[in-house]
Amino acid sequence: AQTVTQSQPEMSVQEAETVTLSCTYDTSESNYYLFWYKQPPSRQMILVIRQEAYKQQNATENRFSVNFQKAAKSFSLKISDSQLGDTAMYFCAFGAQGGSEKLVFGKGTKLTVNP
Amino acid sequence: NAGVMQNPRHLVRRRGQEARLRCSPMKGHSHVYWYRQLPEEGLKFMVYLQKENIIDESGMPKERFSAEFPKEGPSILRIQQVVRGDSAAYFCASSPPQFQAETQYFGPGTRLLVL
Repeated sequence: AQTVTQSQPEMSVQEAETVTLSCTYDTSESNYYLFWYKQPPSRQMILVIRQEAYKQQNATENRFSVNFQKAAKSFSLKISDSQLGDTAMYFCAFGAQGGSEKLVFGKGTKLTVNP
Repeated sequence: NAGVMQNPRHLVRRRGQEARLRCSPMKGHSHVYWYRQLPEEGLKFMVYLQKENIIDESGMPKERFSAEFPKEGPSILRIQQVVRGDSAAYFCASSPPQFQAETQYFGPGTRLLVL
């Protein structure tokens, strides 16, 4: 069974600075996807970024980028130029390719951006 | 293109009553997933459905919980004889019909409170 671990329950950053959220996972699958979802106080789940395991290039979406280390089973999220609207819970998720395609989530990191 | 729709957004039930949660996937999506989020926790997979078929129900409690996705109409998650421990946020997600694991898009969730 797959597991996802987010070792930082809470983090804070000053507005305009950069912050990195950690995520590690455990799997015996060779083909899979990794995701970061954001859950603001409204509690809506919003996709931030997605990475295919077969791609060596790290995914980037505007101010959000990942550092994907497949051998180390690590998938961290970097937020550059942090904004107040980035304040939210951030969940790392794993999805195996094929099979039932269910997502396995970490417990989340609560990020606070301070003015 | 409307996103994933869930209703009701908030549902209050007394112990022993039934709860029915509805989910309409995004247009063109034929895969539906239900997840449960307990307070201060990440999302936990419950069930994965395609039209008229349950593909994976490995996360569903053995009793009182059932799910369906009929040929016509929304997917329904049904909880019979609710107990206080069922209080949680229930999220539905949908994805398009692809062979590979595709990104799941989440609805706003239904917050169930059992008194």
